Parts: sequence; C-alpha cells; structure tokens
Amino acid sequence: KNEVEQSPQNLTAQEGEFITINCSYSVGISALHWLQQHPGGGIVSLFMLSSGKKKHGRLIATINIQEKHSSLHITASHPRDSAVYICAVKWYTGNQFYFGTGTSLTVIP
Amino acid sequence: DGGITQSPKYLFRKEGQNVTLSCEQNLNHDAMYWYRQDPGQGLRLIYYSQIVNDFQKGDIAEGYSVSREKKESFPLTVTSAQKNPTAFYLCASSIRGSDDQPQHFGDGTRLSIL
Repeated sequence: KNEVEQSPQNLTAQEGEFITINCSYSVGISALHWLQQHPGGGIVSLFMLSSGKKKHGRLIATINIQEKHSSLHITASHPRDSAVYICAVKWYTGNQFYFGTGTSLTVIP
Repeated sequence: DGGITQSPKYLFRKEGQNVTLSCEQNLNHDAMYWYRQDPGQGLRLIYYSQIVNDFQKGDIAEGYSVSREKKESFPLTVTSAQKNPTAFYLCASSIRGSDDQPQHFGDGTRLSIL
C-alpha cells in the first residue's frame, strides 16, 4: 500500500505561472526528498527536507511536520520545468525511501 | 564529473534468459540501490547495499540478484524467475547512514521482453 500521496497527478501551466505540487504522507518521517524526472528517465535530486523550508533558484520546498504535508513551488515557470516531480519519504522506523507516483508538469510557452 | 553510470540504456531479454544491468558510481558513496519503475507506480526498491560484500532485499527482490564486490559497482541480474521484467530500472547511491543526504540517480535502463 502506497502511503505517499501526490497531487495533482497532472498539471498544465502557462509560462510564468506560479506552480504548487503537493505531497502528503501517513506517519512520521525522518526525511522527505523531492526529485525531478526528465522525459528521458533520468532523475535529479532537488531537495532533502526534515523541517522548515528550502529554496534554490526558482524552486521552493516546504514541509509541515504536524500536518504531514510538503509542497514544492516553482515561481515564474518555464517550459524547461516540464518534467515529472516525485516526492519520497523515509519513515522514522525504516531505512529506505518510499516514493509517490509523481506529478507530471507541462509548461506551455 | 562524479556521477552514476548505468548501462545499457536499452536491453532486451528472451524468455528464460538472465540479463545483467550495470551500475557504476565514482562518488565514493557507500550505499547503493536498485529501483524498478512501472507506469503509474512509484519507484519500488529491489535491493540495496550499505557496504561492500553486504546487501539487503527490498520490497520486490524476488526474481532478482545482486552483488557488491567493489564499492563503485552494484550490478543487478534479472533472472528467468522474474516473470514480468519489463520495466525501467534505476540505480542510485548515497552517503551511508545520513538522513539529510540525497540519493543520486543514474539515467536508467529500460528492459523489454522479446
């Protein structure tokens, strides 16, 4: 049973729009990982979070431990941001990551 | 540049045949992982290794085998016992024992059945 839920599954935006992708999980975690998968299949790590907020360029990731929820924001979206964004969590009781099914983002020029 | 190299990019398997997927890293990471990705599903862990000459089964290890004879190499063999091997396979590595260090991924191998 997959206990990492991402929303939306698919997202289409116009270039320049502010984008939010959500990740919810069911029990306590020690770490949360946001990843980007390009159309060719390669995966790039974006952020690792255990609390608070991180920012890198136009990307911002936040996590609310009490709400068991994380968001990935993209400001001033661009067609090159088109990819699948994946959330993965590591439970307190385990030593492996469990992955969401991803959010497929398309940014139209 | 440090990174993870997976080969081949595409692989075809005949019925009853074993095939081996290569994964090499030059990041000096202790931990290495193999994941399987199917359409509409999240990545699932097949095997992982936290140190040379040691590895552990993940959630879907049946029909697969691995070895870890060198720190930089973690090959995955898809055996004939794996009845549904068609999938995208991803190898990853990380610094062992640290929750705040990300996993680094290769570009994947796409395996299909002839």
